[in-house]
Amino acid sequence: GQQLNQSPQSMFIQEGEDVSMNCTSSSIFNTWLWYKQDPGEGPVLLIALYKAGELTSNGRLTAQFGITRKDSFLNISASIPSDVGIYFCAGLAGGTSYGKLTFGQGTILTVHP
Amino acid sequence: NAGVMQNPRHLVRRRGQEARLRCSPMKGHSHVYWYRQLPEEGLKFMVYLQKENIIDESGMPKERFSAEFPKEGPSILRIQQVVRGDSAAYFCASSPQDGVPYGYTFGSGTRLTVV
Repeated sequence: GQQLNQSPQSMFIQEGEDVSMNCTSSSIFNTWLWYKQDPGEGPVLLIALYKAGELTSNGRLTAQFGITRKDSFLNISASIPSDVGIYFCAGLAGGTSYGKLTFGQGTILTVHP
Repeated sequence: NAGVMQNPRHLVRRRGQEARLRCSPMKGHSHVYWYRQLPEEGLKFMVYLQKENIIDESGMPKERFSAEFPKEGPSILRIQQVVRGDSAAYFCASSPQDGVPYGYTFGSGTRLTVV
């Protein structure tokens, strides 16, 4: 089945630093999504990408849909303490139902004030 | 406009008991999805339902697990004869139309602990 490899697994950064994380797959994905999950809560959508090569921003967040459709990255600029949480990439693979998302393993982000 | 509501938030069951997890989708949403999250892992797709219809159950274990989304009322994920390995967070999401392209909102989850 489809798998998403997300890296890094965890990051410890100082407030104000930029952060970058990525997801890769051996399969093609038609949609890439980035989510943030706080402890005890469900994932919240940050950015959605629908076209290969697409670069989308949401405030301090920027994400790109790779040209090969097999990868995506998320950048967070000028991190702040409330950025702490677990970030997941998720993809919608071709040939599956529109409801079936595949998730990466997550990147745990810690921001030191 | 309330979000996706899941209850209970926490559920403790003894081995062999049944667990029933409920999900009320957002108002106007007719599509529901269930995911399972083991500790320190990503979410794993289980099942996709429309009202009175299972669209994709490719992630559901073949035994003990079932899901329904009746014409009236919430979607139910049912786990019979629970085992310790069923301990996980179970999330549901809903959308107004067919799947991801139309917006996909998650609930806060039900944390199932099997003792």
